[in-house]
Amino acid sequence: AQKITQTQPGMFVQEKEAVTLDCTYDTSDQSYGLFWYKQPSSGEMIFLIYQGSYDEQNATEGRYSLNFQKARKSANLVISASQLGDSAMYFCAMRGETSGSRLTFGEGTQLTVNP
Amino acid sequence: DARVTQTPRDKVTEMGQEVTMRCQPILGHNTVFWYRQTMMQGLELLAYFRNRAPLDDSGMPKDRFSAEMPDATLATLKIQPSEPRDSAVYFCASGLVLFGQGRGQETQYFGPGTRLLVL
Repeated sequence: AQKITQTQPGMFVQEKEAVTLDCTYDTSDQSYGLFWYKQPSSGEMIFLIYQGSYDEQNATEGRYSLNFQKARKSANLVISASQLGDSAMYFCAMRGETSGSRLTFGEGTQLTVNP
Repeated sequence: DARVTQTPRDKVTEMGQEVTMRCQPILGHNTVFWYRQTMMQGLELLAYFRNRAPLDDSGMPKDRFSAEMPDATLATLKIQPSEPRDSAVYFCASGLVLFGQGRGQETQYFGPGTRLLVL
């Protein structure tokens, strides 16, 4: 079974600053994938970034990067140069080799970007 | 810009009525998922299909929920009879699974959701 923990219910950041959203996971699978999704107030779920358990480099997608520390079982999302449009709920999720295609989601972190 | 589409976007109904939600996955994707999101439970997987065959529906209350894929471009989720506790946002997602067993990225792309309110 997989478990995702997001310990920050809410985070605040000033516009143009960087912010880190925490995610820790628990699995006994050797092969797994980690995902981050963004859910703005409009409700849709937007895929941001993916990290495979065997990827040697941290994933990056534009202003998003994933700080993957395998030994600590953490997959933190870093957003650089925050924008007002980054205000949203952010979900960390994982899928493991024993869970098939099932994604397990964390409870989410509500990010607010202040002008 | 390929997207998952869902209809209706919003649905208000009375307890006991049948509700049908529809999803059109991204063309070429072979796996379709149904999720439910509530404040109390967060995001839960209800069921998913690969190549139109149901692979896992363990998250779905079998007595009132049913999911089907009549063809590759349409997935449906039905609730009959609906109850107030079914009020939630229902998401459909699709993805291309080449290897299975958790290998490969296999990103799931979500539709906009159907917001269901059962009175």
